[in-house]
Amino acid sequence: AQKITQTQPGMFVQEKEAVTLDCTYDTSDQSYGLFWYKQPSSGEMIFLIYQGSYDEQNATEGRYSLNFQKARKSANLVISASQLGDSAMYFCAMREGPEVSGTYKYIFGTGTRLKVLA
Amino acid sequence: DGGITQSPKYLFRKEGQNVTLSCEQNLNHDAMYWYRQDPGQGLRLIYYSQIVNDFQKGDIAEGYSVSREKKESFPLTVTSAQKNPTAFYLCASSQDRGMVNTEAFFGQGTRLTVV
Repeated sequence: AQKITQTQPGMFVQEKEAVTLDCTYDTSDQSYGLFWYKQPSSGEMIFLIYQGSYDEQNATEGRYSLNFQKARKSANLVISASQLGDSAMYFCAMREGPEVSGTYKYIFGTGTRLKVLA
Repeated sequence: DGGITQSPKYLFRKEGQNVTLSCEQNLNHDAMYWYRQDPGQGLRLIYYSQIVNDFQKGDIAEGYSVSREKKESFPLTVTSAQKNPTAFYLCASSQDRGMVNTEAFFGQGTRLTVV
């Protein structure tokens, strides 16, 4: 079973509009972390935002916010006021504790390609 | 500046040859990872190491080998046993202090093409 599922292979958004990128996860661990990364065409992976399983409030970092719904096991990324430079691949990732994974490691989804239209 | 350096950025290899990808970090991180990225498949874990002189296989370790002789370095060798080595390879590191809330830092990647 997929641990991280990103169901949107590609998304379009108009410049200055908001967009939500979906991510669902599967874990039996009580303590885990959820991350979003941006990958421009250059290939580097840029860390955007983090949400801990015990965090009661949704994480926010500038124009990025994470819509965390623990009971539904979803951690959607919301980008507000989209810019042309936001066009990239976006990956959701999870880091479980050793009780489940045997060690601390990062599991990634298949990504969503976002295209911002002028 | 602290960071992770992967070299080379592009690499061409003939079939049947082994090739080694370099990954060096000066972030003083304990853990290092190698991921392979193919179109439409996200990042898949090849090998990871949490401490010097110790490493574990990830999900797709067959045809690859690694070493961790120094904290700063985690080279990946793609052997001739790897059936489909053409891919984008990403090295990452993280500070592991027994917590889930540490993000991974990535290098710029190496694009390997078998010709």
